[in-house]
Amino acid sequence: GENVEQHPSTLSVQEGDSAVIKCTYSDSASNYFPWYKQELGKGPQLIIDIRSNVGEKKDQRIAVTLNKTAKHFSLHITETQPEDSAVYFCAASFTSGTYKYIFGTGTRLKVLA
Amino acid sequence: GAVVSQHPSWVICKSGTSVKIECRSLDFQATTMFWYRQFPKQSLMLMATSNEGSKATYEQGVEKDKFLINHASLTLSTLTVTSAHPEDSSFYICSAGTPKQYFGPGTRLTVT
Repeated sequence: GENVEQHPSTLSVQEGDSAVIKCTYSDSASNYFPWYKQELGKGPQLIIDIRSNVGEKKDQRIAVTLNKTAKHFSLHITETQPEDSAVYFCAASFTSGTYKYIFGTGTRLKVLA
Repeated sequence: GAVVSQHPSWVICKSGTSVKIECRSLDFQATTMFWYRQFPKQSLMLMATSNEGSKATYEQGVEKDKFLINHASLTLSTLTVTSAHPEDSSFYICSAGTPKQYFGPGTRLTVT
């Protein structure tokens, strides 16, 4: 069935360094890829998304890249800050039809001050 | 914009009772809402897709008669956990919107 693999499961970086989280999806028909940040005890917050007709998208310190051929997409956070510490989830979905998300397993990011 | 609320934020109930959780889109209309369940340190598991004015679509393995979903308006969907048991204790999260899903803050259910 449809699957999204996410790596790494945990990531520790020094404040100011960059963090990269990678996801691989299985359904080649997927064309919408959002990233969420979830803090403890809260609901996920959409931080950035990308559609399959775009290779890269950036919003201040956050960027997402997509390689449709390899079915990979990645989240890049630059100049990390302690408040970036959270669990990050990627998802693969569609812009029509069921709109269901297939979530990755999550990455626990810890930014060390 | 795109704010989703859930009520209650946490609830404790006794085994055998039913609990209703509300999900509201506060500043937009949502034809489609989604209900998820999340266990500690795990990812979100989709339970069902809720469509306004029609029956919900449940994921494989989710009991329709146990998790009743009603999407009565373009801003409200409800999830009722019937005859709750301790194994139903979990964090329930709703989302609204397509294709971007905006998530509510979640409801922590504890069944004693």
